[in-house]
Amino acid sequence: NAGVTQTPKFRILKIGQSMTLQCTQDMNHNYMYWYRQDPGMGLKLIYYSVGAGITDKGEVPNGYNVSRSTTEDFPLRLELAAPSQTSVYFCASTQGGTYNEQFFGPGTRLTVL
Amino acid sequence: GQQVMQIPQYQHVQEGEDFTTYCNSSTTLSNIQWYKQRPGGHPVFLIQLVKSGEVKKQKRLTFQFGEAKKNSSLHITATQTTDVGTYFCAGPSATGAGTYKYIFGTGTRLKVLA
Repeated sequence: NAGVTQTPKFRILKIGQSMTLQCTQDMNHNYMYWYRQDPGMGLKLIYYSVGAGITDKGEVPNGYNVSRSTTEDFPLRLELAAPSQTSVYFCASTQGGTYNEQFFGPGTRLTVL
Repeated sequence: GQQVMQIPQYQHVQEGEDFTTYCNSSTTLSNIQWYKQRPGGHPVFLIQLVKSGEVKKQKRLTFQFGEAKKNSSLHITATQTTDVGTYFCAGPSATGAGTYKYIFGTGTRLKVLA
């Protein structure tokens, strides 16, 4: 199993540009999450999904959108990028229930200039 | 909303010294998880505690869940340079209809000086 994969690894955007961060998991997990981690800080939940077709907002959803059309994929869309969105973005997945560990992808390092 | 705080935020220790990080939740938790993130890496699951007062050990790491299930600690004995990284605790937060999300603590960044 590849686990959780994310693309791209790095990206530089100009203010106002848009992009999609890709996340795929091959563990047939129901739950998937998007977090952002600012330099030297903790993890903030952006959006999460408890299954295909079901998504919900986390702590910091403004400026982002998600979709979950399949169990495997959970892309994160940035519209009109702003410098405040410069961060490392982690996707994670878990089987479901409160007693299962989260598996994290390697992250996407995004810089908005 | 539910909050999970960790102290200290940073800790520098000499190699061989002990290290402890504390995690405090504003609400009672059904369970708590601990993760480690190496510099430049992603969080990796270490362990989960479920029972009140539970203590678990992994080699030099000792994890404890408080009696009231609102706090937890991670203690590392005789730190090594391989222990460098940020340690996060995380607790579940119900979102309704049997679903949940995890709230991560603020993290403790450990530096070990050789």
